[in-house]
Amino acid sequence: GIQVEQSPPDLILQEGANSTLRCNFSDSVNNLQWFHQNPWGQLINLFYIPSGTKQNGRLSATTVATERYSLLYISSSQTTDSGVYFCAVLDSGGYQKVTFGIGTKLQVIP
Amino acid sequence: DAGVIQSPRHEVTEMGQEVTLRCKPISGHDYLFWYRQTMMRGLELLIYFNNNVPIDDSGMPEDRFSAKMPNASFSTLKIQPSEPRDSAVYFCALGQTLNTEAFFGQGTRLTVV
Repeated sequence: GIQVEQSPPDLILQEGANSTLRCNFSDSVNNLQWFHQNPWGQLINLFYIPSGTKQNGRLSATTVATERYSLLYISSSQTTDSGVYFCAVLDSGGYQKVTFGIGTKLQVIP
Repeated sequence: DAGVIQSPRHEVTEMGQEVTLRCKPISGHDYLFWYRQTMMRGLELLIYFNNNVPIDDSGMPEDRFSAKMPNASFSTLKIQPSEPRDSAVYFCALGQTLNTEAFFGQGTRLTVV
């Protein structure tokens, strides 16, 4: 099956700092989503982005499908950004399996 | 945005007992997914349904696990008998297709002692 790697595994930021989270995947995909799991465990959709670039407030994401990676940018980080960020992909082959990365754990300190 | 209600939010049960987790989709989405999240294995897809029909249950870990979707508004994930290693957070998620956004419920935290 497809392999999904996220980096860095852990990240500590000072409030106001910017960061880039990366998701690499081993095969072509039909679907890629970024999620934020908050400290209460809720999984919140951030972006559905199989290709291209999207922006939503302080967050933006870019997927370069041909090079098999996606980036999530967080600008002017806030303490409420803390949590775990997951990348999930659906491979485009016959396997048709949704695979999550292990996540990037982000802590934003005041 | 899809609405998904899961119940119970927390469940503590003794080893060997039957556990039933419930998912109630509020809005109409054709796909329903059950996921399990553990520290060791992260988020794993257990099974998904399309129009109430189970399509892929290859992620179901053992025969002790079963899932049903008798109608578009209700799905259950049952573990019988439960074991301590089943302790995890179980999520239900909805999608319009397999290839579009998935929206997650708040999860059920299961502890088997």
